Amino acid sequence: KAGVTQTPRYLIKTRGQQVTLSCSPISGHRSVSWYQQTPGQGLQFLFEYFSETQRNKGNFPGRFSGRQFSNSRSEMNVSTLELGDSALYLCASSSPRELQETQYFGPGTRLLVL
Amino acid sequence: DQQVKQNSPSLSVQEGRISILNCDYTNSMFDYFLWYKKYPAEGPTFLISISSIKDKNEDGRFTVFLNKSAKHLSLHIVPSQPGDSAVYFCAASARGNSGYSTLTFGKGTMLLVSP
Repeated sequence: KAGVTQTPRYLIKTRGQQVTLSCSPISGHRSVSWYQQTPGQGLQFLFEYFSETQRNKGNFPGRFSGRQFSNSRSEMNVSTLELGDSALYLCASSSPRELQETQYFGPGTRLLVL
Repeated sequence: DQQVKQNSPSLSVQEGRISILNCDYTNSMFDYFLWYKKYPAEGPTFLISISSIKDKNEDGRFTVFLNKSAKHLSLHIVPSQPGDSAVYFCAASARGNSGYSTLTFGKGTMLLVSP
């Protein structure tokens, strides 16, 4: 079974621009979560989507948004990029059929804001 | 407020010895705990998990212990191998206000296993 895929893997943008990242979950997984990883901060939860609905949201500004499509693929958008948005953005999927929802991660998108 | 803490940023162990990675949590609502391993430029890989109804779970060289009264869990790797060198993240899950679980991560411990 194919794992979680994320595109693009690397991205360079300048301040003020906007960016869209894509995530395809493991087949059959309907929950997709997004995380931001920066040095020294660990993984910080952005939001989670299930059946095209955002059902959990972390403590990030409104510049960070996302959506999920009917095939469970998800996109994350960051508008008006700031230097501090440079990070590794990770997507994870999980199956609600599991008793406890273990999340499986993709390789991440490395975003550099100049 | 950091709800999941990994107080050791790094750990060095010799090959063949035991590696013990520790994690403390403060939220008593956490009922599911996971360990992930992460190599540079890759996403975290799920290693092992434990439910709050258990105090030990074993999978090959990896064993996770949970002490609920102390709000502490640990990951034991025996024997340690150079390929185990990576950053290890502890994560905990609790049902939020929405009724669905989210994962809270510690900041990670970098394990270095030397030959």
